Amino acid sequence: DAKTTQPPSMDCAEGRAANLPCNHSTISGNEYVYWYRQIHSQGPQYIIHGLKNNETNEMASLIITEDRKSSTLILPHATLRDTAVYYCIVRLYGGSQGNLIFGKGTKLSVKP
Amino acid sequence: SQTIHQWPATLVQPVGSPLSLECTVEGTSNPNLYWYRQAAGRGLQLLFYSVGIGQISSEVPQNLSASRPQDRQFILSSKKLLLSDSGFYLCAWSEGTEQFFGPGTRLTVL
Repeated sequence: DAKTTQPPSMDCAEGRAANLPCNHSTISGNEYVYWYRQIHSQGPQYIIHGLKNNETNEMASLIITEDRKSSTLILPHATLRDTAVYYCIVRLYGGSQGNLIFGKGTKLSVKP
Repeated sequence: SQTIHQWPATLVQPVGSPLSLECTVEGTSNPNLYWYRQAAGRGLQLLFYSVGIGQISSEVPQNLSASRPQDRQFILSSKKLLLSDSGFYLCAWSEGTEQFFGPGTRLTVL
């Protein structure tokens, strides 16, 4: 079973920030938080990952709470092309095993 | 740069027929390779992973098998397909941290 909890769906207005929450209360000290997204009928796309510090890249920002039990993925200026299912995953860094356990994710709908 | 290919893109097969899906990766050496399945309306389920040629680990018992005959080639097979094998099959590769996914094969078993 997935070790994360996400809302099943969210809406966001185009141009606004999309804030996607994720709860991972059982995360262990050496597990990272990863975010992927899957646009309909395509393979998942890596977005960002982090351990305890906030991270930012060209796609998004990741905010992890101090106790690491939850995190938020932020798309600063959502576009229609950001409509997708977003998956929050916890896993060991660089593990050779395929321990990417995908839950049902959050279906983000960006509306004009 | 690294690329990952899967084929075919779509496949319709009768129950009881064999299956062979192929995945190849370019631009990297000795990657970890994975096969996932996504059933309709559900999340991804890891089926197999491989850390090297001939090394296959199965995550879920089923009528599917995987093989890695070459460093950058990963094959998913079945001798006799079941209706429940329908789904979206994704191959992925990694060198340690994030996994990169292929375009997927949509399999419909009738």
